[in-house]
Amino acid sequence: GAGVSQSPSNKVTEKGKDVELRCDPISGHTALYWYRQSLGQGLEFLIYFQGNSAPDKSGLPSDRFSAERTGGSVSTLTIQRTQQEDSAVYLCASKSPNEGWGYTFGSGTRLTVV
Amino acid sequence: QKEVEQDPGPLSVPEGAIVSLNCTYSNSAFQYFMWYRQYSRKGPELLMYTYSSGNKEDGRFTAQVDKSSKYISLFIRDSQPSDSATYLCAMSAESGYSTLTFGKGTMLLVSP
Repeated sequence: GAGVSQSPSNKVTEKGKDVELRCDPISGHTALYWYRQSLGQGLEFLIYFQGNSAPDKSGLPSDRFSAERTGGSVSTLTIQRTQQEDSAVYLCASKSPNEGWGYTFGSGTRLTVV
Repeated sequence: QKEVEQDPGPLSVPEGAIVSLNCTYSNSAFQYFMWYRQYSRKGPELLMYTYSSGNKEDGRFTAQVDKSSKYISLFIRDSQPSDSATYLCAMSAESGYSTLTFGKGTMLLVSP
């Protein structure tokens, strides 16, 4: 596609429920990143996938968070037993091997836990 | 102390003003510096990037890096209402696929 696509764009869920957020990176982009942007906070790194290498999960805040990337393309971020502090915008980005700088971000999924 | 500090603003200026946006950082290993612009309800988009110290100019935008002071700046000349957005600085120690460390962002409002 033309850009990084994320779905849903908005998600309201009840505390304690599980949610899945989807990211479709730009075709041919081998690297995929998940970041979280909370109100008044900067972007917080969550997890990073690069090709067939083991993902860098060092930013995941708790074991309730997990992510997978199937076939080197689409990625799903799963949050189990959601808490109110999980409310944030979850941003996905991808990067081409030919792109020297920065990433291309999607528009994000705005998650609200009530 | 956070690794990257950025004044959240908002910074309000009249159209045509020169805008200065700044970040300070503590990690001396950072060598790659970027500025992203984020419009409301959109993802950040890469605006400018620089390596190590020095200046880089692109149209109305100039990025400056002073590694000795651990201080980076983005200048916007002849600011326009369409420049109203949140500006995030980002940096990394390595090139390639390394993760970026972001500032919190400065909200800029340019009034006509």
